[in-house]
Amino acid sequence: QKEVEQNSGPLSVPEGAIASLNCTYSDRVSQSFFWYRQYSGKSPELIMSIYSNGDKEDGRFTAQLNKASQYVSLLIRDSQPSDSATYLCAAESGNKLTFGTGTQLKVEL
Amino acid sequence: GAVVSQHPSWVICKSGTSVKIECRSLDFQATTMFWYRQFPKQSLMLMATSNEGSKATYEQGVEKDKFLINHASLTLSTLTVTSAHPEDSSFYICSARDGGGAGGLSTDTQYFGPGTRLTVL
Repeated sequence: QKEVEQNSGPLSVPEGAIASLNCTYSDRVSQSFFWYRQYSGKSPELIMSIYSNGDKEDGRFTAQLNKASQYVSLLIRDSQPSDSATYLCAAESGNKLTFGTGTQLKVEL
Repeated sequence: GAVVSQHPSWVICKSGTSVKIECRSLDFQATTMFWYRQFPKQSLMLMATSNEGSKATYEQGVEKDKFLINHASLTLSTLTVTSAHPEDSSFYICSARDGGGAGGLSTDTQYFGPGTRLTVL
């Protein structure tokens, strides 16, 4: 059974702080990893993709991948109230995505 | 680029009726489309993988005779929920992947449609 695990939260951070979201996956064959943001009642929106060990930065977002530990994370710098949403981690193998249950992030004023 | 549309955005139907949901890739050719279902407070669950011109591949536990999928062209896939019942009420989301990569899109990234909220009375 391929699994992607996330802490459901909610994770509360003050505005301007760094939010750290974590994810572990069970399928060692997985090569591609994605972070999606989902607002309540909406469909997921791609934030970042990462394929290689290390960090990948895009604006305020940094994704980190450690294949040896089967661990993926997403850092959001200078968190804004508009970042409040559920963040879904997904791992791809066999041309399919397996999603975690998501971490709810709340950015407080 | 990478725009995926779904129609309708919401639908309410009576128990026993059938509902068709359309998923279109607007600015790229999607050789593969995926259909997901999401119940409240839960994550996305893959229902089936749809490849253009061939039969869909259903995930374990998903009834292929109840959830009919057709992927007739590189830009359109449809999901028909047949004989819908209240337990089928859910948020149905499609995604599409650019198989050719011609538009500069990653060939393994899935782009999601806005979803269709189905309520069966």
